[in-house]
Amino acid sequence: EAEVAQSPRYKITEKSQAVAFWCDPISGHATLYWYRQILGQGPELLVQFQDESVVDDSQLPKDRFSAERLKGVDSTLKIQPAELGDSAMYLCASGDLYGYTFGSGTRLTVV
Amino acid sequence: DAKTTQPPSMDCAEGRAANLPCNHSTISGNEYVYWYRQIHSQGPQYIIHGLKNNETNEMASLIITEDRKSSTLILPHATLRDTAVYYCIVRVVYNAGNMLTFGGGTRLMVKP
Repeated sequence: EAEVAQSPRYKITEKSQAVAFWCDPISGHATLYWYRQILGQGPELLVQFQDESVVDDSQLPKDRFSAERLKGVDSTLKIQPAELGDSAMYLCASGDLYGYTFGSGTRLTVV
Repeated sequence: DAKTTQPPSMDCAEGRAANLPCNHSTISGNEYVYWYRQIHSQGPQYIIHGLKNNETNEMASLIITEDRKSSTLILPHATLRDTAVYYCIVRVVYNAGNMLTFGGGTRLMVKP
């Protein structure tokens, strides 16, 4: 069964440092999402791509977060500088007309 | 997308049916009901979706009321591995650009 790959699985970083997460969606899926999930809450959308274009980044804190999907395939989410409040699970999902598949996420801890 | 309301938590005995309710009173005619679940420290997993008719697959059954204002996810024989947070989401399907909007979900605890 096709999967959405994410790495790293866990990341610990000091505040004010830069951190990056990588996502490889299911082959052929044009739509890719990054979600952030704070412990005890449901996932919240950060950014949505259609191929290489950003469709919605209204919830992305653009002063410190950036996302790219240069060739319309894999994607990178970056935080610089990281803050304590960024500690969360970062989930990537890809989809087609019928549904979405999520990766296992990257658990970020900022110390 | 329409907002959904779910109980924050439920318990179920192992081997019994788990019935998870969801209210979506403002659902539109072209919105489907989706259910996902999230086991601790994993990404959400698709379970089932439906529009009007009841649906069944190898994981669960979905019962949608005739007025479509509420639905119930049924796990017919709950196991300990079904302990998870279950999310009910409504969205327009056949448009890959429509994102999933998650609420708080229902935390299901299956007990031996």
